[in-house]
Amino acid sequence: QAQLVEFGGGLVQPGRSLRLSCVASGFSFSTYHMHWVRQAPGRGLEWVAVLTPDGSQTRYRDSVKGRFSISRDNSKNTLYLQMNGLSPEDTALYYCARDAVGPDMANWFDPWGQGTLVTVSS
Amino acid sequence: ENVLTQSPGTLSLSPGERATLSCRASQSVGRNYLAWYHQKPGQAPRLIIYGASTRATGVPARFSGSGSGTDFTLTISRLQPEDFGTYYCQQHASWPITFGGGTKVEIK
Repeated sequence: QAQLVEFGGGLVQPGRSLRLSCVASGFSFSTYHMHWVRQAPGRGLEWVAVLTPDGSQTRYRDSVKGRFSISRDNSKNTLYLQMNGLSPEDTALYYCARDAVGPDMANWFDPWGQGTLVTVSS
Repeated sequence: ENVLTQSPGTLSLSPGERATLSCRASQSVGRNYLAWYHQKPGQAPRLIIYGASTRATGVPARFSGSGSGTDFTLTISRLQPEDFGTYYCQQHASWPITFGGGTKVEIK
């Protein structure tokens, strides 16, 4: 059964950096596109970024371009999100999510991890 | 970006009743580029419908999706206790991928 577990959230001051990790199990990690989706407290869902199976191509939402970087280590079944220049608006529960269909990007998400909370505050 | 508007914001229903949830897009998403998720408090979202009308693996037949273009509907024919929570639609016809604001289905 496919499973995703996120790590690395916490309290960080504005302007600082944080790296999130997502460890995958139960499926062939290296053959799936992977996404990060976030949810601010009490709010809806917001897609953040996607990465191809080989790690060569990325897409980001405009509000994180130039600040966030998505990457992966297929030998460790791990997805990362490097977040620089954090602002209070980045405060959210960050989910990693598997693209639902193998090597071909489908852009719907199944499954999702349980999320890791990032709080940006002084 | 393609803005998705879900209505109503909250739906108060009793178990056994029918639930009809709407998702309207500001730009066409075609026939297949829409998914629905269910989220319970404190849990991650779970995929229930993709391609506008295809149920995900393990999703009961009481869930059905329909629509095309800019107007989509999720119908739950007879609500079960485990169906309560918040439902989100999501489009992937254009970048960035966007979600609706959610419809909360609560017990009346």
